[in-house]
Amino acid sequence: AQSVTQLDSHVSVSEGTPVLLRCNYSSSYSPSLFWYVQHPNKGLQLLLKYTSAATLVKGINGFEAEFKKSETSFHLTKPSAHMSDAAEYFCVVTFLSSNTGKLIFGQGTTLQVKP
Amino acid sequence: EAGVAQSPRYKIIEKRQSVAFWCNPISGHATLYWYQQILGQGPKLLIQFQNNGVVDDSQLPKDRFSAERLKGVDSTLKIQPAKLEDSAVYLCASSDLWTGYTGELFFGEGSRLTVL
Repeated sequence: AQSVTQLDSHVSVSEGTPVLLRCNYSSSYSPSLFWYVQHPNKGLQLLLKYTSAATLVKGINGFEAEFKKSETSFHLTKPSAHMSDAAEYFCVVTFLSSNTGKLIFGQGTTLQVKP
Repeated sequence: EAGVAQSPRYKIIEKRQSVAFWCNPISGHATLYWYQQILGQGPKLLIQFQNNGVVDDSQLPKDRFSAERLKGVDSTLKIQPAKLEDSAVYLCASSDLWTGYTGELFFGEGSRLTVL
């Protein structure tokens, strides 16, 4: 069975400092992994995705994530946090063989950015 | 390009009452999804349509929830009768066949339901 675990429910950083949001996955198959972001009262938006190409994936707004098969991890990072990065972040895994696009979401990590 | 439209944005009802949510996907998107997001949790898929057929409704509580997509475009999700535990944000998403395959879904802003 596929699952995804976000290791921190809440992360607080100061503006200008690095961001690390941790995600571990469990999958019997080669996974496709995603990070989605949800700003308050806004729809979920795709931040970046890994689909078996390069293991270091770059996304929007300076975010990137590295797929590490040996560690079953897909942590999200950003070198320097901005106030506008404050949001809820979801790590997501999917199984693509059936072409249905069914996504399995983690519990979410709330990112707080302090001035 | 217009995004996924949902209405109403907010709804408050008493338990045992009924409620309906409407979703209009991005034009041309064949696949439509309804997710339930309970406070503090990640979204959970309730039902997935491809055109007007159901692909996956394994997690839809069919005794009280129903959904339809009659013409393969917009969709309605209904809850009758509502329970307290149905309080959540109901998210609609859509994808064309390719983005659905790669996991990129386009989400609406959601409909927040409070059941008292």
